[in-house]
Amino acid sequence: NAGVTQTPKFRILKIGQSMTLQCTQDMNHNYMYWYRQDPGMGLKLIYYSVGAGITDKGEVPNGYNVSRSTTEDFPLRLELAAPSQTSVYFCASSYTYNEQFFGPGTRLTVL
Amino acid sequence: GQQVMQIPQYQHVQEGEDFTTYCNSSTTLSNIQWYKQRPGGHPVFLIQLVKSGEVKKQKRLTFQFGEAKKNSSLHITATQTTDVGTYFCAGEYGNKLVFGAGTILRVKS
Repeated sequence: NAGVTQTPKFRILKIGQSMTLQCTQDMNHNYMYWYRQDPGMGLKLIYYSVGAGITDKGEVPNGYNVSRSTTEDFPLRLELAAPSQTSVYFCASSYTYNEQFFGPGTRLTVL
Repeated sequence: GQQVMQIPQYQHVQEGEDFTTYCNSSTTLSNIQWYKQRPGGHPVFLIQLVKSGEVKKQKRLTFQFGEAKKNSSLHITATQTTDVGTYFCAGEYGNKLVFGAGTILRVKS
């Protein structure tokens, strides 16, 4: 099992550009999450999903969108990138509300 | 919104010394989870505590959940250089985890 995979690993965007962060898991988990981690800070929940076709907002959803058309994939879309979105983005999945498995992260810089 | 406070923010210990990080919530938690993140890495699950007053051990790590299910602690006995990293607690509120800001542990050899 590859676990949770994320692409790309690194990306630099210009202000106003858009991009999609990809996340795939092969553990057949129903629950998937997107977090952002700013330097020296904890993880802030952006969006989460409890199954295909179901998504909901977390603590910091503004400027982001998600979709969940399959159990495996949970892409995160950034529209009109802003410097405040410079962060490390982690995708995670879990079987239920317990142990979350994290991907390796995407380091995004918006200039 | 729900908040989980974690202290200290940072601790630098000599190898062999003990280390403790504390986590507090203003409201009762369903459960609390602990994660470790190595520098440059991603969070890795350590343990989940569910019951009031629960104590669990993993080798040199001891985890406690308070009687009121509002606080928790992680204690490392005789730290080693491999313990370096950031330790996060995460409280479950409904169907979401709220992470503390983490405690950064540095170990001098």
